[in-house]
Amino acid sequence: EVQLLESGGGLVQPGGSLRLSCVASGFTFGNYAMSWVRQAPGKGLEWVSVIRGSGDSTYYAGSVKGRFTISRDNSQNTLYLQMNSLRAEDTAVYYCAKDTGSTCYSPIDYWGQGTLVTVSS
Amino acid sequence: DIVMTQSPDSLAVSLGERATINCKSSQSVLYSSNNKNYLGWYQQKPGQPPKLLIYWASTRESGVPDRFSGSGSGTDFTLTISSLQAEDVAVYYCQQYFGTPFTFGGGTNVEIK
Repeated sequence: EVQLLESGGGLVQPGGSLRLSCVASGFTFGNYAMSWVRQAPGKGLEWVSVIRGSGDSTYYAGSVKGRFTISRDNSQNTLYLQMNSLRAEDTAVYYCAKDTGSTCYSPIDYWGQGTLVTVSS
Repeated sequence: DIVMTQSPDSLAVSLGERATINCKSSQSVLYSSNNKNYLGWYQQKPGQPPKLLIYWASTRESGVPDRFSGSGSGTDFTLTISSLQAEDVAVYYCQQYFGTPFTFGGGTNVEIK
């Protein structure tokens, strides 16, 4: 059974940093691209970033490019999202998600339960 | 960026009736080399993460009831629920994974009339 368990969310002041983690199980982690998708309270889904299974390709939404960094440790079955220079508009539930393929150009077939990030003073 | 526009924003349908949700992309998401449309549909119920229903525009994910179907090509796509059930009350999103950033539509809220 595929499981994705996010952690690292919480309350942070504007301009601060957080690192989200997602521990994966139930599949061969390194064989699949992984994504982060966020959802602001009461709003729709916003794609944030994706990383190839091998870790050698990454892509970002314009709203986070230069501030967020996606990475993975295939030996630890763990996906990360380093978030710097956080803004109020980054407040959202952040979902870790597994893609159906190893490249980045594939749909998401499994989602974690999400971790809430709140940016506020 | 590819803009995904869903319509309607909200839809109320009687139990057993058909629900139709439209999704339009600002540019084609059909990849000519493999003739695949890089378009997926997701269902999100309150308090839950999204669930994949349809990918490659018309391929039903394993375990998804056959009352859900996807159609369309290029820039215009449709998700159809042939006979709405109470458990189908949710918000539905389309997403393109043709070109980064992989954008979602704004969502369509499906309710029971």
